[in-house]
Amino acid sequence: DQQVKQNSPSLSVQEGRISILNCDYTNSMFDYFLWYKKYPAEGPTFLISISSIKDKNEDGRFTVFLNKSAKHLSLHIVPSQPGDSAVYFCAADSNYQLIWGAGTKLIIKP
Amino acid sequence: DAGITQSPRHKVTETGTPVTLRCHQTENHRYMYWYRQDPGHGLRLIHYSYGVKDTDKGEVSDGYSVSRSKTEDFLLTLESATSSQTSVYFCATISGSGSYEQYFGPGTRLTVT
Repeated sequence: DQQVKQNSPSLSVQEGRISILNCDYTNSMFDYFLWYKKYPAEGPTFLISISSIKDKNEDGRFTVFLNKSAKHLSLHIVPSQPGDSAVYFCAADSNYQLIWGAGTKLIIKP
Repeated sequence: DAGITQSPRHKVTETGTPVTLRCHQTENHRYMYWYRQDPGHGLRLIHYSYGVKDTDKGEVSDGYSVSRSKTEDFLLTLESATSSQTSVYFCATISGSGSYEQYFGPGTRLTVT
């Protein structure tokens, strides 16, 4: 069973608009969540994280929101830029092991 | 950047042959991980290490073994490669100091024919 789910395999957004990527989890014991970005033929790169004691964390154009009651987190990118086109993974920490979603491919249209 | 390199970057091998992939880090990180990435599955943990000679299985460890005789090197071995092990393999380390962010190497693309 998938403990971390990203239900949208792909998302297309106009340049300059907001991109919202979603992630759901099932294990209420997860206490730390991370977002990674991956370009083709490269390893994933860490983007932003959030602890379960917070409901929001912001870093420049990237904001992660956590709704613990709904077991849902989202990544907002504002404004979206062409270089944001990539696959985005959410992950949850479980005792120094990461449980990964399947990823969402974000396409930024000019 | 945790100074992680992986070798080889690409490999084609035949079914039944042994294959060893190497991960090397320069930051003296305690934790190291091996993942595989396949379409539709995200990243799946194969094995991880929490110190020299200390390793444990991950979600998809069948058919794989690992060794860590030095802090900087973590080896992944496919004893007898199968076509189902065709994948992209990533190594990662944790930056440490109570941080959970893992940092990744560039990956090894393995094709088993």
